[in-house]
Amino acid sequence: GNSVTQMEGPVTLSEEAFLTINCTYTATGYPSLFWYVQYPGEGLQLLLKATKADDKGSNKGFEATYRKETTSFHLEKGSVQVSDSAVYFCALMDYNNAGNMLTFGGGTRLMVKP
Amino acid sequence: GEEVAQTPKHLVRGEGQKAKLYCAPIKGHSYVFWYQQVLKNEFKFLISFQNENVFDETGMPKERFSAKCLPNSPCSLEIQATKLEDSAVYFCASSLQGSRTNEKLFFGSGTQLSVL
Repeated sequence: GNSVTQMEGPVTLSEEAFLTINCTYTATGYPSLFWYVQYPGEGLQLLLKATKADDKGSNKGFEATYRKETTSFHLEKGSVQVSDSAVYFCALMDYNNAGNMLTFGGGTRLMVKP
Repeated sequence: GEEVAQTPKHLVRGEGQKAKLYCAPIKGHSYVFWYQQVLKNEFKFLISFQNENVFDETGMPKERFSAKCLPNSPCSLEIQATKLEDSAVYFCASSLQGSRTNEKLFFGSGTQLSVL
């Protein structure tokens, strides 16, 4: 079956620090990969995605590259801000009979201090 | 509407009581998904619909959980005889199609269910 594993948090950084949140996956097919962000008290928002190997998704200074050889999709940002404090979820979507069903990782809480 | 609307925002039930949650998908979206987010931030897939038909229910607890998506009505998720471990945030999501070109899921803001 499909699964997503991401580093456990919380990750605590100072403003302007470099961020990496690791994500690895297992899938039976050729999935699309996503990062979702959940700000306090809110639902999930799509942050970025990549649909095939070597694709790089990027948005709001965040980047992640689809690495098929290492089955990874690590999230990076060069300089985090306090407003980036949230929970980040790595997810995959595999095209089987379940349509658009997402498989999520366990989430990583990021706390950025001024 | 232009967003997935979930009601109520908060729901408190005593153990053994029934809980019913509602979700109005974005107009024109054919797929609806329900996820349960428990304390450790993990999202558990419950069930998906393609229009009013159940598409995948592999995540649904068989005994107490049921869900419907009827034409011209919000979708619903019902829990009979709630238990303490049902306390979670329940998210609904919708998408336009079940194809690679329209794979974006739009999430509602969730219903926080507290079972006391």
